[in-house]
Amino acid sequence: AQSVAQPEDQVNVAEGNPLTVKCTYSVSGNPYLFWYVQYPNRGLQFLLKYITGDNLVKGSYGFEAEFNKSQTSFHLKKPSALVSDSALYFCAVREQNFGNEKLTFGTGTRLTIIP
Amino acid sequence: NAGVMQNPRHLVRRRGQEARLRCSPMKGHSHVYWYRQLPEEGLKFMVYLQKENIIDESGMPKERFSAEFPKEGPSILRIQQVVRGDSAAYFCASSPNAGDFQTNEKLFFGSGTQLSVL
Repeated sequence: AQSVAQPEDQVNVAEGNPLTVKCTYSVSGNPYLFWYVQYPNRGLQFLLKYITGDNLVKGSYGFEAEFNKSQTSFHLKKPSALVSDSALYFCAVREQNFGNEKLTFGTGTRLTIIP
Repeated sequence: NAGVMQNPRHLVRRRGQEARLRCSPMKGHSHVYWYRQLPEEGLKFMVYLQKENIIDESGMPKERFSAEFPKEGPSILRIQQVVRGDSAAYFCASSPNAGDFQTNEKLFFGSGTQLSVL
C-alpha cells in the first residue's frame, strides 16, 4: 500500500523568508512523487514531480523539492516566500508499478505567507 | 484546449435525493479519476475509469455510489439516496493514455463540484 504523511496542518512564514512544507511517503517499491497546490474554490494545480534522476526537482513559481530516499521524504521548498504563495499544498505518491494509476494524496498543509 | 470541465459547480440536494456529477476530461485524455475532499481532509481516491471500463473502484463506497465513463459523453459520478455525510467537494481529474508514464505522470484537475446535502 502507498501512503503519504504531511505532518503540519498549517505553516506560517513571513514574506521574503524561506519556506518548507514537509512530506514523507511510504511505498513498497520505488515512488513517483508530486506536489500540487490548491487555491480557494479551485481544483489542484500541478507544481512539480520526481520520477527519476536528480534528487532536487525544480517546479513552477520558484518551488523546488528534494527527494531523500533514506528518509523517505519529499519536502517542498522555496527560498523567498511571496504572499501569493498562500494556498493549500498537497503531496502525493504513486508506486512505480505498471497498472497502478492511482495517486495517493496527503491531508494537505495550509501555507500562509504573512506580509 | 479546454481543461477538465466539471458541472455543476455547486449542487444542493435534500436527503434521499440523487446527485449526478459530470466530468468532461481534457481533449485527448481517456483516463478519468474521481476524488472526494472532505472538510479538513485531503483528497481521497474514489474510482479510476477508462472509456467504458471501471479500472479501480477501491475507494468507492459499496452502496449508493456508482461511476461510468461511456464511449460518448462525460464521466458521471452518481450518488443515490444522498445523506449529509456525502457533503463534500468532488474532484475529477484526467490523464492521457496509460502505458507511457512519461506523458501520463500527472493529473489535470477540474474545479470540482461542491455537493451540499440538506
